[in-house]
Amino acid sequence: DTEVTQTPKHLVMGMTNKKSLKCEQHMGHRAMYWYKQKAKKPPELMFVYSYEKLSINESVPSRFSPECPNSSLLNLHLHALQPEDSALYLCASSQAWESGNTIYFGEGSWLTVV
Amino acid sequence: AQSVTQLGSHVSVSEGALVLLRCNYSSSVPPYLFWYVQYPNQGLQLLLKYTSAATLVKGINGFEAEFKKSETSFHLTKPSAHMSDAAEYFCAVSDPNAGKSTFGDGTTLTVKP
Repeated sequence: DTEVTQTPKHLVMGMTNKKSLKCEQHMGHRAMYWYKQKAKKPPELMFVYSYEKLSINESVPSRFSPECPNSSLLNLHLHALQPEDSALYLCASSQAWESGNTIYFGEGSWLTVV
Repeated sequence: AQSVTQLGSHVSVSEGALVLLRCNYSSSVPPYLFWYVQYPNQGLQLLLKYTSAATLVKGINGFEAEFKKSETSFHLTKPSAHMSDAAEYFCAVSDPNAGKSTFGDGTTLTVKP
């Protein structure tokens, strides 16, 4: 069982909706990540939080808005998405934002934009 | 800049046969290397990683990989495939000084009975 928990597992939303994806870890990790994964493709890094501060934003459109309320929680707020944003969104964490640390992934949230 | 190439987007083996998944990397500094597995409808799970210690790395589920600097390779092997090994496998490389990992395009492993 993964130690990174994501909710919801499935989400269908219209292009005018506002929704959020949630992620939680209790491993004491200080780095948390959001990835986007299309079918049969590798995950693409979207955001990295290190010690609750946004460290990396990989030029993600503003319709995706991350939030890190505390060291255990990571949210991704969604607004005015497009159908091409439909994908698997993976949350992950690691001990620190340093190369070589094992990244632990959640099972993902399947997002469909209609 | 770093990159990783996985040779063969699909690999099919018979149950009990050797599994060999190929990964070549490019990095300007000695890299860290990873293999992840993704089962259907799940997230990624680390199989093993190389971080400049022993060049032969043993991972979970009987997998191992050997770092070969001269060939810039980090191929994943398992002596005997099991049906439960059917999944997507990703090789990843990261610069020890940069933190960010770059993933390969993935290899789908099919295991035939």
